[in-house]
Amino acid sequence: GEDVEQSLFLSVREGDSSVINCTYTDSSSTYLYWYKQEPGAGLQLLTYIFSNMDMKQDQRLTVLLNKKDKHLSLRIADTQTGDSAIYFCAERPPGSARQLTFGSGTQLTVLP
Amino acid sequence: NAGVTQTPKFRVLKTGQSMTLLCAQDMNHEYMYWYRQDPGMGLRLIHYSVGEGTTAKGEVPDGYNVSRLKKQNFLLGLESAAPSQTSVYFCASWSPTEAFFGQGTRLTVV
Repeated sequence: GEDVEQSLFLSVREGDSSVINCTYTDSSSTYLYWYKQEPGAGLQLLTYIFSNMDMKQDQRLTVLLNKKDKHLSLRIADTQTGDSAIYFCAERPPGSARQLTFGSGTQLTVLP
Repeated sequence: NAGVTQTPKFRVLKTGQSMTLLCAQDMNHEYMYWYRQDPGMGLRLIHYSVGEGTTAKGEVPDGYNVSRLKKQNFLLGLESAAPSQTSVYFCASWSPTEAFFGQGTRLTVV
């Protein structure tokens, strides 16, 4: 079955770039997503990428997709304290009734 | 436009009690989902629905039941709560490309 893996923790200094990595196993996934969860809140969609794309940029966010290695990354430029949160990657396989398989989440801590 | 609303936000149950969590969406979405979130495990799918009157099992359905009598509402029931069901529960509904999540229900079973 599908399995999405992420490292659990990442700490960066304010103003530095953050890179959160994710690996997935279902090579037929059509969409890959990044969600942000702040304490006590639900999940907020940050961005998503179609499987036929290699890169997507949206302001401070850059998503890179390496389909050969089944590797997805999220780069946050100029990381701010407000970026401290848990970040989840998720894959959506085709024909899955839009079911998402989530990684365990990466807790990003931004240090002043 | 409220999006996805979950009630209640917090609940404490005793082992063996029953309860129903309500998810309501005002976006006319067909697809709705219930997830549970446990530390270090991400979100796991409990049940889902692809339209009014339909339900299907997800990854961890045991101990839960669901109903989708109206398109805008998706109910998650616990018939006999167990401590292993202590978790944060999230509901989501889908547009064609994006899932919208509720704020979550924090359930503690003692």
